[in-house]
Amino acid sequence: EDQVTQSPEALRLQEGESSSLNCSYTVSGLRGLFWYRQDPGKGPEFLFTLYSAGEEKEKERLKATLTKKESFLHITAPKPEDSATYLCAGHSYGQNFVFGPGTRLSVLP
Amino acid sequence: NAGVTQTPKFQVLKTGQSMTLQCAQDMNHNSMYWYRQDPGMGLRLIYYSASEGTTDKGEVPNGYNVSRLNKREFSLRLESAAPSQTSVYFCASSEWRDNEQFFGPGTRLTVL
Repeated sequence: EDQVTQSPEALRLQEGESSSLNCSYTVSGLRGLFWYRQDPGKGPEFLFTLYSAGEEKEKERLKATLTKKESFLHITAPKPEDSATYLCAGHSYGQNFVFGPGTRLSVLP
Repeated sequence: NAGVTQTPKFQVLKTGQSMTLQCAQDMNHNSMYWYRQDPGMGLRLIYYSASEGTTDKGEVPNGYNVSRLNKREFSLRLESAAPSQTSVYFCASSEWRDNEQFFGPGTRLTVL
């Protein structure tokens, strides 16, 4: 069965303290690994798609990377406005997205 | 562009009542989806429509029905609401089924 897990469940950082979030997947024939940001009371907002091992994508203080078994979302020098829940999802051709439970990130000023 | 819109934003039902959640997208996307999100769990797919004129069950379809009214609109109906259907419901759309999905703001539903 296809599965996506994320760790840690919650993470508290001081402003400027860099860290990484992990997304592990067991999705047969992975076509794409997707990252989303979700603010409280809102819908998920699309961040990145990664298609192959070794690929990296960046947006402001966020960088997503992909290996054959997992993906990392690196947050460099985070600010309080980066506080949110970060979701990842795996997808293979002809199948539905499988979402992980998310990592709740809090960045303290 | 409004993206994906959902109505209502909040709803309280009594057990056994029915209601329809509405969703519309203005991105000319072919595929649309309904998810539910519960605390501690990932988004779970209820139903999806890969293209206009088709609908299929997702992971948790029991107790729900859907209608793809046209390319823009995809509605979710609860015929006889149960407390287990208390959740936040999200509609999403994508160009095709293999592309990134874009989500609406959600409907928070409470069934008493």
